[in-house]
Amino acid sequence: AQTVTQSQPEMSVQEAETVTLSCTYDTSESDYYLFWYKQPPSRQMILVIRQEAYKQQNATENRFSVNFQKAAKSFSLKISDSQLGDAAMYFCAYISKNKIIFGKGTRLHILP
Amino acid sequence: EAGVTQFPSHSVIEKGQTVTLRCDPISGHDNLYWYRRVMGKEIKFLLHFVKESKQDESGMPNNRFLAERTGGTYSTLKVQPAELEDSGVYFCASSQTGPVSPLHFGNGTRLTVT
Repeated sequence: AQTVTQSQPEMSVQEAETVTLSCTYDTSESDYYLFWYKQPPSRQMILVIRQEAYKQQNATENRFSVNFQKAAKSFSLKISDSQLGDAAMYFCAYISKNKIIFGKGTRLHILP
Repeated sequence: EAGVTQFPSHSVIEKGQTVTLRCDPISGHDNLYWYRRVMGKEIKFLLHFVKESKQDESGMPNNRFLAERTGGTYSTLKVQPAELEDSGVYFCASSQTGPVSPLHFGNGTRLTVT
């Protein structure tokens, strides 16, 4: 069975600094997608970034980038130049064959 | 465009009572998903509709949970009778072409069973 593990329940980072959230997954599938979702205190989850497993190039979206290591089944999220608005729960998600599996989430605190 | 809306935002009920949660997806989104997050745990998949049909309901915990999507528009999730362990936040999400297209989430319904 597929699993998604986020080993950091909480993290803190100083404003303007860089932080990396870790995510590992387990699967026997070769074709899948990985996502990072963000849930700010207002509760609505929004997509941060996505990565197709067949792509070797790491996805980037402005200050957000991923380090996708397919062999190691690792999918970490790097947030550069952290801003107060980045404070949220971050969920790593694995998707294959229409089934989505989320990790437990990492709560990110931004210190002013 | 209007986002995914869920109603109510909070519900507090007693054990044994019935609660119905509603989700209005984004217009035109055939795919609708229900998820649940119990405090401190991962978000668990409950079920997936494609239009009015249940594509996958493998995550439904037991037969106290009933989901419907009449006419392929809004969806309801009924819990009857509610138990203490049903407490959590119930999220609805919709997408155009399945989960590999971005999921649009509602704000969730926080259900507390006392």
